[in-house]
Amino acid sequence: AQSVTQLDSQVPVFEEAPVELRCNYSSSVSVYLFWYVQYPNQGLQLLLKYLSGSTLVESINGFEAEFNKSQTSFHLRKPSVHISDTAEYFCAVSDRANFGNEKLTFGTGTRLTIIP
Amino acid sequence: DGGITQSPKYLFRKEGQNVTLSCEQNLNHDAMYWYRQDPGQGLRLIYYSQIVNDFQKGDIAEGYSVSREKKESFPLTVTSAQKNPTAFYLCASSITGGTLAEAFFGQGTRLTVV
Repeated sequence: AQSVTQLDSQVPVFEEAPVELRCNYSSSVSVYLFWYVQYPNQGLQLLLKYLSGSTLVESINGFEAEFNKSQTSFHLRKPSVHISDTAEYFCAVSDRANFGNEKLTFGTGTRLTIIP
Repeated sequence: DGGITQSPKYLFRKEGQNVTLSCEQNLNHDAMYWYRQDPGQGLRLIYYSQIVNDFQKGDIAEGYSVSREKKESFPLTVTSAQKNPTAFYLCASSITGGTLAEAFFGQGTRLTVV
């Protein structure tokens, strides 16, 4: 079985400061990793994903995440946050064993609040 | 515009009643999913369907039922057997089953039992 741990339920950050949202996973097999973002009262949107290749993946709005196999982590970072980044962020994992039939396991979410 | 439409946005139900949540997509996606979101618990998979007339239980299927008679539609019924139905329900779809294809989410339905 796989699981995802997001240790920080809430992260307040001043505007233009850097931020890191932590995500650790456990799985007995190789995994795919994802970050989703949820704005208030909306559904989730895929922010970025790691499937294979380079361990550093980037989104179009300045976020990046690095897959660290030895530490089983996939932390999300942004060097300078904006008010519009206020949202809840979910880390998710699926195992590679069931190709084409993978299912996502989500973390409990981290609420990012940007302080003006 | 293509997308996923969930209705209604807010729904109130009396204890002991069944209620059906609607999910429609015009993205021509084969796979559809229902998730339940509770504060501090993330998203949990209720049911999913990879093709018309076929669906599988997710991690928390008890007290819920679904149907997939049309490719565009995947309604979820919350039955009276569901002991704690108050939650935010999210429907999603993807072009194929699995996670390699990006899942698109609807705006959600907030169900409250009164």
